[in-house]
Amino acid sequence: GAVVSQHPSRVICKSGTSVKIECRSLDFQATTMFWYRQFPKKSLMLMATSNEGSKATYEQGVEKDKFLINHASLTLSTLTVTSAHPEDSSFYICSARDSQTVHEQYFGPGTRLTVT
Amino acid sequence: AQSVTQPDIHITVSEGASLELRCNYSYGATPYLFWYVQSPGQGLQLLLKYFSGDTLVQGIKGFEAEFKRSQSSFNLRKPSVHWSDAAEYFCAVGAGQGAQKLVFGQGTRLTINP
Repeated sequence: GAVVSQHPSRVICKSGTSVKIECRSLDFQATTMFWYRQFPKKSLMLMATSNEGSKATYEQGVEKDKFLINHASLTLSTLTVTSAHPEDSSFYICSARDSQTVHEQYFGPGTRLTVT
Repeated sequence: AQSVTQPDIHITVSEGASLELRCNYSYGATPYLFWYVQSPGQGLQLLLKYFSGDTLVQGIKGFEAEFKRSQSSFNLRKPSVHWSDAAEYFCAVGAGQGAQKLVFGQGTRLTINP
C-alpha cells in the first residue's frame, strides 16, 4: 500500500515552454501533497504544500506564478513549471500524506526535468 | 527554526561491517524524526520514524535508530551492511502545524566496499 506515482519520470523541454508534472496517490486519499526540489548531490527543499480544493502554500523564495500547483482531487496534484529556463532543471519529488496516518508522507519516484 | 544536521557527507564501510550515520536536530518541541533512503535517480523510502515512546526504533532492512533527547540526536545504525545498502540517507524532522512539513538534513552518501 501507500504508493505514490509521478509522471513523467523524465522530461526535456525547451526554454520558454511549460511542463506539467503529475503526482498521484494510487491506493489512498491524500488531502495534502508536497512538492520538493532536489539539486544534484543536495538535499530536498520543500517548495510548496498542496491542499485538496484550496490554494497551495508556497515556501519563502518560491515563485508561485512560475510553479503552478493544482490539487483538484484527493489523489492528484500537478506542478506546472511555466516559462521554463535552464536554471529550473532539477529533480522534482512529490509526497503525499495519507489522511489516515497523519504524520507520515509517502514519496513519489521523482521527475527529472531538463530545460535546454 | 527547525534544522537537521548530518555531519558526514560521505561514508565508506566494508560489506559486513557495522554502520552508524549521525543526525542532529534543532527543534523546540518533541520532534517527529524520520530516516529516509534514496537510491540514485529514485524517490525516498522511509526506513523508520520516531514519534514517541521507546527511544530505540526498529525499521526496515535491519536498520534501527535511537532518539537521544539530551544530545538532540537520532543516529541510524545497522550491525552488518550489505552491498545493496549503498545509497543516500536523509534524516528529517517534522515541523510546523501537525509536524506536516519535513525539514531534511544534507544527506549522507554511503559507499560499500566489497
